[in-house]
Amino acid sequence: NAGVTQTPKFQVLKTGQSMTLQCAQDMNHEYMSWYRQDPGMGLRLIHYSVGAGITDQGEVPNGYNVSRSTTEDFPLRLLSAAPSQTSVYFCASSRQQGTYTDTQYFGPGTRLTVL
Amino acid sequence: AQSVTQPDIHITVSEGASLELRCNYSYGATPYLFWYVQSPGQGLQLLLKYFSGDTLVQGIKGFEAEFKRSQSSFNLRKPSVHWSDAAEYFCAVGARGDYKLSFGAGTTVTVRA
Repeated sequence: NAGVTQTPKFQVLKTGQSMTLQCAQDMNHEYMSWYRQDPGMGLRLIHYSVGAGITDQGEVPNGYNVSRSTTEDFPLRLLSAAPSQTSVYFCASSRQQGTYTDTQYFGPGTRLTVL
Repeated sequence: AQSVTQPDIHITVSEGASLELRCNYSYGATPYLFWYVQSPGQGLQLLLKYFSGDTLVQGIKGFEAEFKRSQSSFNLRKPSVHWSDAAEYFCAVGARGDYKLSFGAGTTVTVRA
């Protein structure tokens, strides 16, 4: 198994540009999520999904869109990039155990810089 | 909603010395607790987790953590650190009925020779 994969690893954007960060997992996990990591703030949840066709907002959803058309993929779209979105982005997936999630498996991250 | 506090931003420890990282959580019912480690430039890896049962949990790489309900704490310990333990450590809490995890701000561990 490849686990959780993310592309690209690095990206530089100009303010106002749009792009999609890709995330895929091959573990048949129902739950997938996107976090951003900023110095001194730990990981903050952007969006999450409990299954194909179901998404919901996390702690910091503004400026980001997601969709979940398949179990494997969970792309994150930046509609109009802003310097405040400069961060490291992590995708994670896990099984669901009834009404809570089990261990989350993280991808290697995408380092995004917005100029 | 649940939340996590890691009081120590940065800890420096000598190789071979013991290590303890503090984690305090806020949640009304029994939480699900996790410790993750992030090596430089890498994603997060699970060290250990607590769902129920024995309050002393053993994890990978020689780490253990103890759940203390009365203190709302889940501190991580290692008896003797190795240079490879230099990393950032995150405590996280989840809850029944909520799929989301809340992470602490992290503690950076530096190991000196």
